[in-house]
Amino acid sequence: DSGVTQTPKHLITATGQRVTLRCSPRSGDLSVYWYQQSLDQGLQFLIQYYNGEERAKGNILERFSAQQFPDLHSELNLSSLELGDSALYFCASSARSISNYGYTFGSGTRLTVV
Amino acid sequence: SQQGEEDPQALSIQEGENATMNCSYKTSINNLQWYRQNSGRGLVHLILIRSNEREKHSGRLRVTLDTSKKSSSLLITASRAADTASYFCATDDAAGNKLTFGGGTRVLVKP
Repeated sequence: DSGVTQTPKHLITATGQRVTLRCSPRSGDLSVYWYQQSLDQGLQFLIQYYNGEERAKGNILERFSAQQFPDLHSELNLSSLELGDSALYFCASSARSISNYGYTFGSGTRLTVV
Repeated sequence: SQQGEEDPQALSIQEGENATMNCSYKTSINNLQWYRQNSGRGLVHLILIRSNEREKHSGRLRVTLDTSKKSSSLLITASRAADTASYFCATDDAAGNKLTFGGGTRVLVKP
């Protein structure tokens, strides 16, 4: 157990639907990062939050949104789902500076869009 | 876009042999990190090397960094079947806000 909790572990949904992925960071970590991993695109950075505020944004689609709540857990919302959104979605957390410590990853949510 | 590119993409070795994989990157970094991912699982942080360091060891892992060539290598000595996994290098951005991962090297250690 890495200390980063992601739910659900698996999700199967139809095209056009909306889903919410949840992440609880490791105790004491203020930063949460979301990544998408697919076979053709590799690990793609989506978005980062630090203590409730958006800090950095990657190639996140407009159909996707995220937020970090006061208790530091984060949710990634994916809407108008397409077949190509099928992927592993990882959440990671870090202490204040990733330059010193790196990330702690959760076990991921496998999303299948049918 | 990927900052780091690993080479080779895949590697197959016998247990007890050494495994070496390389990573090249494009822009200046504060540090470079290596992660391991077992099939379909979350990534696990292995080792971090700062831009002012040239070599670092952790157990059976040895990492080198050459900032003049913008490259790093990860050596796993005396490999074990349990080392079978994908290995990724990652570099931080100038602000230290996020890591950018390479495409990974798939390592298969045969017993």
